[in-house]
Amino acid sequence: GNSVTQMEGPVTLSEEAFLTINCTYTATGYPSLFWYVQYPGEGLQLLLKATKADDKGSNKGFEATYRKETTSFHLEKGSVQVSDSAVYFCALSDRQETSGSRLTFGEGTQLTVNP
Amino acid sequence: DTGVSQNPRHKITKRGQNVTFRCDPISEHNRLYWYRQTLGQGPEFLTYFQNEAQLEKSRLLSDRFSAERPKGSFSTLEIQRTEQGDSAMYLCASSLVTGAADTQYFGPGTRLTVL
Repeated sequence: GNSVTQMEGPVTLSEEAFLTINCTYTATGYPSLFWYVQYPGEGLQLLLKATKADDKGSNKGFEATYRKETTSFHLEKGSVQVSDSAVYFCALSDRQETSGSRLTFGEGTQLTVNP
Repeated sequence: DTGVSQNPRHKITKRGQNVTFRCDPISEHNRLYWYRQTLGQGPEFLTYFQNEAQLEKSRLLSDRFSAERPKGSFSTLEIQRTEQGDSAMYLCASSLVTGAADTQYFGPGTRLTVL
């Protein structure tokens, strides 16, 4: 079956530090990959996505590259801000005829950025 | 486009009571998904609709759970005879299916507490 593994958290950084959150996946087909962000008390917001190998998703300074050879989709940002403090979820969607595009999520990584 | 909305945002109930949640998807989105998220975990798929048809249900969805999407618009999720283990955040997402994998947009969630 499909699965997503994220680096263990929580992660605490100082403002302007470099961020990497690791994500690896196992899938039976050719999945699309996503990063979602969840702020306290809120639902999930789509941060970025990539639909095929070597695609790079980017948004708000965050980037992630779909690496099929290493089955990875690591999230990076060059300079984090206090407002980036949230929980980040890596997810995959393996479109099948019988399962629609259900998302399989990792456990999430809590990021705290201190001023 | 007002986004996905869910009501109520919070629900506190006593064990054994029935509860019903509502999700209003982004207009013209033809797919609607329900997920459940427990504290410190990623969301887990429950069920999804394409238009008014419920096409798949997870094993997580016991017989006490039922979901409907009349006329392919809003959806309701009902839990009968609630148990303490049902306490969680219930998330709804909608998407517009195109040739590629669809991208799901989430609502703010309904937090259920069963006493």
